[in-house]
Amino acid sequence: EAQVTQNPRYLITVTGKKLTVTCSQNMNHEYMSWYRQDPGLGLRQIYYSMNVEVTDKGDVPEGYKVSRKEKRNFPLILESPSPNQTSLYFCASSFDRQGSPLHFGNGTRLTVT
Amino acid sequence: AQSVTQLDSQVPVFEEAPVELRCNYSSSVSVYLFWYVQYPNQGLQLLLKYLSGSTLVESINGFEAEFNKSQTSFHLRKPSVHISDTAEYFCAVSAVNAGNMLTFGGGTRLMVKP
Repeated sequence: EAQVTQNPRYLITVTGKKLTVTCSQNMNHEYMSWYRQDPGLGLRQIYYSMNVEVTDKGDVPEGYKVSRKEKRNFPLILESPSPNQTSLYFCASSFDRQGSPLHFGNGTRLTVT
Repeated sequence: AQSVTQLDSQVPVFEEAPVELRCNYSSSVSVYLFWYVQYPNQGLQLLLKYLSGSTLVESINGFEAEFNKSQTSFHLRKPSVHISDTAEYFCAVSAVNAGNMLTFGGGTRLMVKP
């Protein structure tokens, strides 16, 4: 089954404790992206990747890191999480063609206390 | 840069009634337009998209949206909603020739009541 898999679904952590949210897709998509969803703000892009070893900042990259060492994986790293990073996070992927639909994971709800 | 405004954060409607979810965008270049739907505890799924051609696009479950370039709008409509349409709907745009960089609106929560 074609899918984008994020883990974990729920994560509660404390300020400053490094964490990684994993994302994997099995559709051979070139393009992958991370978004955060906050009430009333819709989805805002954190980072994206056009292909292996090619990443770039989105609209809200501060406090986040990503890597793309393999085509299928695109982990999101929070080196020192802060409470303002409490949010719902989505990974998405698509073919690198204009208008190609984004395929989303089921989300990771992160709480930073 | 593009921006998207969804004018209603919540839309309550009774089952079998018609509904319109409004979306306006701003862009200095030509755009592609999308509607995504998010059911509870799930990720977003593509509902329909406008890339070119006919300005009226339809989804498989009865929704339609019309691209209106002069009004910079892409409103989503359904003539008769079902309980199962209860979800959050997101309008999104991407600039032509800008790959898959999407800008999302704030979302509209459609609440269908029996």
